[in-house]
Amino acid sequence: GNSVTQMEGPVTLSEEAFLTINCTYTATGYPSLFWYVQYPGEGLQLLLKATKADDKGSNKGFEATYRKETTSFHLEKGSVQVSDSAVYFCALSDGNNRLAFGKGNQVVVIP
Amino acid sequence: GAGVSQSPSNKVTEKGKDVELRCDPISGHTALYWYRQSLGQGLEFLIYFQGNSAPDKSGLPSDRFSAERTGGSVSTLTIQRTQQEDSAVYLCASSVGTSLRSSPLHFGNGTRLTVT
Repeated sequence: GNSVTQMEGPVTLSEEAFLTINCTYTATGYPSLFWYVQYPGEGLQLLLKATKADDKGSNKGFEATYRKETTSFHLEKGSVQVSDSAVYFCALSDGNNRLAFGKGNQVVVIP
Repeated sequence: GAGVSQSPSNKVTEKGKDVELRCDPISGHTALYWYRQSLGQGLEFLIYFQGNSAPDKSGLPSDRFSAERTGGSVSTLTIQRTQQEDSAVYLCASSVGTSLRSSPLHFGNGTRLTVT
């Protein structure tokens, strides 16, 4: 079935560092791919998306490119801020209009 | 504007009791989802309502779980005879359209359920 795998463990980094969170997927057909973010005390919200191969989603300085050849959708940001501290979830939509989520990665940015 | 509202925000219950969790979606959103987030796990799909269509119940983990959506708006998730493994954060989300490609999910803050 469809599934999403995120790198294990929390990510701790200093302000202005480069952030990468890996996401790979398994799917039949051509899923859409998403990154959702959960800030402390808030509900999940859509960060960015890509609906077809080679599309790049971007928002708030974050980017992710839909790579069909490597079945990946890695999230990157060139210079993180303390306010980027949150839990990040990679997800894909299957043909049944549901989202399949990864386990999430806690990101902690230290001033 | 008003987002997805869930109540209660926290619920502690004794094993074996029944619980009801409520979700008020964003007005006009036809799609409504329930997910479960357990410690160290991702979000697990439970059930999906779309307009007047029959719900997709394929994610419900057992027959102790049920959900209904009245009048195409408010939804209630019911867990009967709760077990400790039911402890989790239950998330509700709604969407305005029928395609996740164009209509993102809007999540509530969830109900944290603790079964003692």
